[in-house]
Amino acid sequence: AQSVAQPEDQVNVAEGNPLTVKCTYSVSGNPYLFWYVQYPNRGLQFLLKYITGDNLVKGSYGFEAEFNKSQTSFHLKKPSALVSDSALYFCAVRRPNTNAGKSTFGDGTTLTVKP
Amino acid sequence: KAGVTQTPRYLIKTRGQQVTLSCSPISGHRSVSWYQQTPGQGLQFLFEYFSETQRNKGNFPGRFSGRQFSNSRSEMNVSTLELGDSALYLCASSLDTDIYEQYFGPGTRLTVT
Repeated sequence: AQSVAQPEDQVNVAEGNPLTVKCTYSVSGNPYLFWYVQYPNRGLQFLLKYITGDNLVKGSYGFEAEFNKSQTSFHLKKPSALVSDSALYFCAVRRPNTNAGKSTFGDGTTLTVKP
Repeated sequence: KAGVTQTPRYLIKTRGQQVTLSCSPISGHRSVSWYQQTPGQGLQFLFEYFSETQRNKGNFPGRFSGRQFSNSRSEMNVSTLELGDSALYLCASSLDTDIYEQYFGPGTRLTVT
């Protein structure tokens, strides 16, 4: 079985400050990890993924995430938050050699960036 | 490249009716997955189709069904609608290799009254 936990339902940061959205996972073997963002009344948009290689992954809109195998975490980060980053963020995990339908999504974290 | 499209975007139905939602994946994507999103339950996986075959299924009752056509377009059907079926239904397409991410459509907002 596999699972994803996003321990914070809500994260609030001030514009210009660094932001972190947390994700921990449980899966047998090596994980494939993904971050998606959802703006109001929209579908999810892919931000970045970790498949293999460098533990620090860079993605769209200045976001990055660090894969930490010992802590089974894949936290999403951005050095300087923008008000336009306010949205709902989802972390997802999948085992290698499985297809998209085998992805498990977290419950989501609402990020609010205040001016 | 055009993104994933879903029709209709909004739908209002009455309890007991049935509904059909449509999804057109990104060109070249043969995997199509459907999800139900509600405030209380988050993102729940319904089913995944690949090459007209259902290859994964979530824990939903048999009232929820789907199919995929030879051009990879997919439909999902919900029969005998219940109030609890009110949700945003998302479709996602993907290339068929495990390393690839999913691309989501804007969703169909279904309201059951």
